[in-house]
Amino acid sequence: SQTIHQWPATLVQPVGSPLSLECTVEGTSNPNLYWYRQAAGRGLQLLFYSVGIGQISSEVPQNLSASRPQDRQFILSSKKLLLSDSGFYLCAWSVPIGERETQYFGPGTRLLVL
Amino acid sequence: GDSVTQMEGPVTLSEEACLTINCTYTATGYPSLFWYVQYPGEGLQLLLKATKADDKGSNKGFEATYRKETTSFHLEKGSVQVSDSAVYFCALSHSGAGSYQLTFGKGTKLSVIP
Repeated sequence: SQTIHQWPATLVQPVGSPLSLECTVEGTSNPNLYWYRQAAGRGLQLLFYSVGIGQISSEVPQNLSASRPQDRQFILSSKKLLLSDSGFYLCAWSVPIGERETQYFGPGTRLLVL
Repeated sequence: GDSVTQMEGPVTLSEEACLTINCTYTATGYPSLFWYVQYPGEGLQLLLKATKADDKGSNKGFEATYRKETTSFHLEKGSVQVSDSAVYFCALSHSGAGSYQLTFGKGTKLSVIP
């Protein structure tokens, strides 16, 4: 069966520090991968998605970036964190099933920028 | 663009009460519709889905019917339990650039009291 891992689970970082969040998927090949952010009271916002190694699409301009160095690894990064980057970051994966696709989410990383 | 509107929360119910969480959507074409559930401190779990008009998704006593004529996908359960306390998200998927992206509602927090 497929599983998705995220780490760290919780992170407290000062403003201006760098960020690296990691997501890995097991039990599937060539998944589509996604990064979402859930900010307090604001619902879920798609940040990036990837349909293959080295292929990244950005949905929202910001100081975050994403990379996919391996088929089942997706990394979210920042060179300098802002207070507004605080939130709950969720990684998701999917495999196209015919014309429809279901996304499955990881446990999330809670980021607090102080 | 696509959008999902779900009823504002929070919703507080007594155990064994009936639940309805309204969800309506705006989308071009024929999106798939989903309900996700988020328990405190956790990621999102897929609760149920429907991929075409008149489909009924069901899981764990919850059900929702894809109504294209009213563009709705209301979540229902006949008898809620304390363990159903969580935030529920309605979502739709649409295709774009080789990937399917989810558009979420803002979530409805459900609290079930004994």
